[in-house]
Amino acid sequence: DAGITQSPRHKVTETGTPVTLRCHQTENHRYMYWYRQDPGHGLRLIHYSYGVKDTDKGEVSDGYSVSRSKTEDFLLTLESATSSQTSVYFCAISDLAGDYNEQFFGPGTRLTVL
Amino acid sequence: GESVGLHLPTLSVQEGDNSIINCAYSNSASDYFIWYKQESGKGPQFIIDIRSNMDKRQGQRVTVLLNKTVKHLSLQIAATQPGDSAVYFCAENLASGSARQLTFGSGTQLTVLP
Repeated sequence: DAGITQSPRHKVTETGTPVTLRCHQTENHRYMYWYRQDPGHGLRLIHYSYGVKDTDKGEVSDGYSVSRSKTEDFLLTLESATSSQTSVYFCAISDLAGDYNEQFFGPGTRLTVL
Repeated sequence: GESVGLHLPTLSVQEGDNSIINCAYSNSASDYFIWYKQESGKGPQFIIDIRSNMDKRQGQRVTVLLNKTVKHLSLQIAATQPGDSAVYFCAENLASGSARQLTFGSGTQLTVLP
């Protein structure tokens, strides 16, 4: 998985609780992304980062926040988890070498909100 | 918004036959396309990419064809093997904001029959 780890790999939580997912990379890539994947949907972008402390929203950012205090870590936080946020979450990294965005994905985190 | 879609959600092929997975895209400004393979319980894995200034690109047992006139992308897998069974996603890449973003199709499930 191209030097990308995600933690936890599985989590079950209750509605209304805060949840933080972690993505860690050892590739020193500049760009990091959080996606969610749901049945019948492709991957949808939640947030991305283009450098330390530089982040921006994606297609489905409502209810999520992110932080990146160092190059290797990108955190995704669900402020108050809802059942609609039950999903599989993938982190991806990219170096944009040559300006083409080949992204490499982590193994995913399966989150269940009861 | 514009999106990437797939013609067929499922495809079954006999082992040893060739597979063709199709993808339609609607954003004429997209200039880079990627095919990913996703096995059950894993993150998407890069297979092959193609830039919009190309019509065809070949890899090991895989070929991607791009028809910009009809905005169509296909992935051909030669001599399909059981290990090729997976979900295949196409993604288009459009320069946007501070980072190029990928838009994914919903995926095609390829099943290889013995």
